[in-house]
Amino acid sequence: GENVEQHPSTLSVQEGDSAVIKCTYSDSASNYFPWYKQELGKRPQLIIDIRSNVGEKKDQRIAVTLNKTAKHFSLHITETQPEDSAVYFCASSGGSYIPTFGRGTSLIVHP
Amino acid sequence: DTAVSQTPKYLVTQMGNDKSIKCEQNLGHDTMYWYKQDSKKFLKIMFSYNNKELIINETVPNRFSPKSPDKAHLNLHINSLELGDSAVYFCASSRPGLAGIDEQFFGPGTRLTVL
Repeated sequence: GENVEQHPSTLSVQEGDSAVIKCTYSDSASNYFPWYKQELGKRPQLIIDIRSNVGEKKDQRIAVTLNKTAKHFSLHITETQPEDSAVYFCASSGGSYIPTFGRGTSLIVHP
Repeated sequence: DTAVSQTPKYLVTQMGNDKSIKCEQNLGHDTMYWYKQDSKKFLKIMFSYNNKELIINETVPNRFSPKSPDKAHLNLHINSLELGDSAVYFCASSRPGLAGIDEQFFGPGTRLTVL
């Protein structure tokens, strides 16, 4: 089955700095790579996703890059703000209905 | 206008009891899921279910069983509750895309505490 590794488990940055979270996956058939943000006490919500036919996708301050050859994808947040503080999860899935999630990264943005 | 809803929000019960958590989605999605999130925030998928098949994570004890009365509902029934079942349980739904699954829409979660 698919295995998704996510690093780091905790990331602490100063407001205004950039944050990068990395994930690797094992199944070369995987073709959908979403990122979810979970604020304290809330549900996970999709913030950005990428499919295997695209190498990079941006949405304002967040971007995701995908390297299918190396089987890794990354989340980039620029100009971090305190409200970016949350747990971020990467995930991957292929042709099945079962997504595999990473173990999460707790991002702390200090004012 | 809630897309995915769960009840109850909190559930406190004694070991050995049987309990159910209800989930409903009004998105018209074909596939629904149950996840368990433990104290370390790890999101573990328990079940995936659509009108064609039930996919069970083989690590889930058979004390857990999903029940779907119709396409918009997927309830989770738990028998003989144990201390280790304490966690937050999330329901989710998804519309299968052209290449597998699409975005997961999560419910608000049910915090289960087993005493």
